[in-house]
Amino acid sequence: AQRVTQPEKLLSVFKGAPVELKCNYSYSGSPELFWYVQYSRQRLQLLLRHISRESIKGFTADLNKGETSFHLKKPFAQEEDSAMYYCALSGHQAGTALIFGKGTTLSVSS
Amino acid sequence: DTGVSQNPRHKITKRGQNVTFRCDPISEHNRLYWYRQTLGQGPEFLTYFQNEAQLEKSRLLSDRFSAERPKGSFSTLEIQRTEQGDSAMYLCASSLARTGSGNTIYFGEGSWLTVV
Repeated sequence: AQRVTQPEKLLSVFKGAPVELKCNYSYSGSPELFWYVQYSRQRLQLLLRHISRESIKGFTADLNKGETSFHLKKPFAQEEDSAMYYCALSGHQAGTALIFGKGTTLSVSS
Repeated sequence: DTGVSQNPRHKITKRGQNVTFRCDPISEHNRLYWYRQTLGQGPEFLTYFQNEAQLEKSRLLSDRFSAERPKGSFSTLEIQRTEQGDSAMYLCASSLARTGSGNTIYFGEGSWLTVV
């Protein structure tokens, strides 16, 4: 079965601390993995995707096929990073619908 | 704003009434998706269209739910005989699906439904 698991509902850190938001997945095949972010009162938006291998707003995520994980990391958290983060996967074919995890709220305080 | 547009943004209805939501995708996007999101959950897939064809429906989409995309542009999601359990945020999203490449899905702001 296709599934995305985000084990933490809430992650609270201090400004400047490292952040790691965990994501594990279950999928038979080669999925494409994404992180979406939702800031307060804004729409859900793409943060990054594993295919691009890019760093957005200082965040990176590496796909670990052995551990079926796609954890989101940032070395130094900023207050503006406070938001809801969703990990998602889709099948390899273009246009396949996304399957989301339940999300993790990141709270960064000074 | 040329993003995905949804309306109404909020709808309060009495149980048993019918409601309809509209979604205008990003122009030129051939794929359109509907999701439902309840408190504490991530978005749950309901259905999607490629142009005007409805290609997939999830088990969550009961027979009281119907979605259309008649001309391959905007879409409507109708819920008949609403129940309190239908109270949720209904999200629309769109993408440009291209063979052999990844697929970035863009979301609208959602339509909140409250069934009283």
